Amino acid sequence: DAKTTQPTSMDCAEGRAANLPCNHSTISGNEYVYWYRQIHSQGPQYIIHGLKNNETNEMASLIITEDRKSSTLILPHATLRDTAVYYCIATYDKVIFGPGTSLSVIP
Amino acid sequence: NAGVTQTPKFQVLKTGQSMTLQCAQDMNHEYMSWYRQDPGMGLRLIHYSVGAGITDQGEVPNGYNVSRSTTEDFPLRLLSAAPSQTSVYFCASSAGTTPLHFGNGTRLTVT
Repeated sequence: DAKTTQPTSMDCAEGRAANLPCNHSTISGNEYVYWYRQIHSQGPQYIIHGLKNNETNEMASLIITEDRKSSTLILPHATLRDTAVYYCIATYDKVIFGPGTSLSVIP
Repeated sequence: NAGVTQTPKFQVLKTGQSMTLQCAQDMNHEYMSWYRQDPGMGLRLIHYSVGAGITDQGEVPNGYNVSRSTTEDFPLRLLSAAPSQTSVYFCASSAGTTPLHFGNGTRLTVT
């Protein structure tokens, strides 16, 4: 199971793009990269996932490097409601969450 | 689809009591898992299952039992509740490489 490393915390100005990095250097060829977020004590919310290609949905974009050892989650226009803990996961079996990145969106 | 349903939403137990937290999903997902989240802390994996009849331990399995007799249900049993088990419990499910779907959680207090 691939381990991931994320910065502990980040700040982003409201309206600007938030770029959240994740390292997953031990990811295997068939393991996807998943991003979730958790706001306060609500259940984690799925954001986006991808295998090799960059992905975009209504919430965010996911950029995966060609060697697949790292990725970046992009929230294009961060709002105050995007303040949350963001988790990067690189396995779909025995899913263990690390501490994630605490993103603070500042007015 | 109702998704992942957890019951009860809230529960208060006395030390030493036992109880079962229920988790059901109607998406025919093979993979199901239980997490606990203590105040101000991250999610920790308790037990998980990759299919009916198969369960395995996560990071913090002590004090909890699980079984998976059907694809839909994955109950979590507290054998003898302790104050250290006061937490919010989340159940999640997925199919193959699809993302995890989470329930809304059960808030458990042990006094």
